[in-house]
Amino acid sequence: DAGVIQSPRHEVTEMGQEVTLRCKPISGHDYLFWYRQTMMRGLELLIYFNNNVPIDDSGMPEDRFSAKMPNASFSTLKIQPSEPRDSAVYFCASSLVGQGYEQYFGPGTRLTVT
Amino acid sequence: DQQVKQNSPSLSVQEGRISILNCDYTNSMFDYFLWYKKYPAEGPTFLISISSIKDKNEDGRFTVFLNKSAKHLSLHIVPSQPGDSAVYFCAAQPTGTASKLTFGTGTRLQVTL
Repeated sequence: DAGVIQSPRHEVTEMGQEVTLRCKPISGHDYLFWYRQTMMRGLELLIYFNNNVPIDDSGMPEDRFSAKMPNASFSTLKIQPSEPRDSAVYFCASSLVGQGYEQYFGPGTRLTVT
Repeated sequence: DQQVKQNSPSLSVQEGRISILNCDYTNSMFDYFLWYKKYPAEGPTFLISISSIKDKNEDGRFTVFLNKSAKHLSLHIVPSQPGDSAVYFCAAQPTGTASKLTFGTGTRLQVTL
């Protein structure tokens, strides 16, 4: 399996622009997670889905952030409008219930908002 | 409010010596703990885990110890190798919230020659 795939790997955008991050989970996994990594707060869970349904979005920082999972093989995290404080590395991860609590992470998207 | 804390942002250890990475947690509902390893420009990868019914789990050079009364766990790497240089994240799983992990801020380990 190719593992979790994220695109783009790097994104540089100007403040106020819309940003869309993409994720393809491991085939067959039923959980998908979006995390944000910063120096100060480490890895923060933003939102997670089970069988394409959002379960917990309490980590989404504000209404500018939204996430969707239209099918089992694709998810997006959108920021609109983007702000410099959104600059971070965003990770997508997936897991399969019944195979322990281990989550498999993608390589991340480094977002820079100028 | 950080429920999982890694108070040492960095650690330097000589090759061949023991590396000890520490993690503290505050939520008594956590009952499963994991360590992840992260290299630059890559996503975290699972390293080792421990259930709250155990106090020790070993996998090759890696051992995780859990002290529930102190709400403390540690990762021991013996012997440390240069390839172990990475950021290590501690994570915790609460009872009954299938798969929702809370991560610490990470400890950067540097293994020197």
